Amino acid sequence: RKEVEQDPGPFNVPEGATVAFNCTYSNSASQSFFWYRQDCRKEPKLLMSVYSSGNEDGRFTAQLNRASQYISLLIRDSKLSDSATYLCVVNGAYGGSQGNLIFGKGTKLSVKP
Amino acid sequence: DAGITQSPRHKVTETGTPVTLRCHQTENHRYMYWYRQDPGHGLRLIHYSYGVKDTDKGEVSDGYSVSRSKTEDFLLTLESATSSQTSVYFCAISGQLGTEAFFGQGTRLTVV
Repeated sequence: RKEVEQDPGPFNVPEGATVAFNCTYSNSASQSFFWYRQDCRKEPKLLMSVYSSGNEDGRFTAQLNRASQYISLLIRDSKLSDSATYLCVVNGAYGGSQGNLIFGKGTKLSVKP
Repeated sequence: DAGITQSPRHKVTETGTPVTLRCHQTENHRYMYWYRQDPGHGLRLIHYSYGVKDTDKGEVSDGYSVSRSKTEDFLLTLESATSSQTSVYFCAISGQLGTEAFFGQGTRLTVV
């Protein structure tokens, strides 16, 4: 089982739509969880950390389900500028990745007018 | 934005030649990382450093070496570049292991 798995998409949605991304992780001992955003041909940028109690930042809501080893990101009222690839990230535990961040392959979002 | 500078930003090199990529930070973060990003694979860790002269291997370290002689600089060397090392290379920094990391703008390397 891959350490971090995401639906690759693409998700094509109209402006104003609500879209949800899901991510599963394999290491039950992981303690740190993040969502990153990556624009085409740019570096990944931290979007938000994910806490056990769930957290919200404006139109973005992240949730963590430790029992199911599942992370989600909800984007409300989508904007054209939200078009990007969203990366699910957890800290790893195996071999050379121990303690380091493990990145999912990303889910591509395209918001259309 | 975090103060991370990668150089060069673009490079084309021939198979078999040595290549060194540089990452420079102004944040005084302890941890520095080199990742590569390829279509279908996402970001994969090559090597990381947890202090001056302290480095360790990541998931895809074969064919790469690193050095960190100063807190602010982390070098990635391809001793003899191969076409399979054509990729986008990102440097990242973090204050602690497993916490949020901040990325440089990337180096696009093509080995012909």
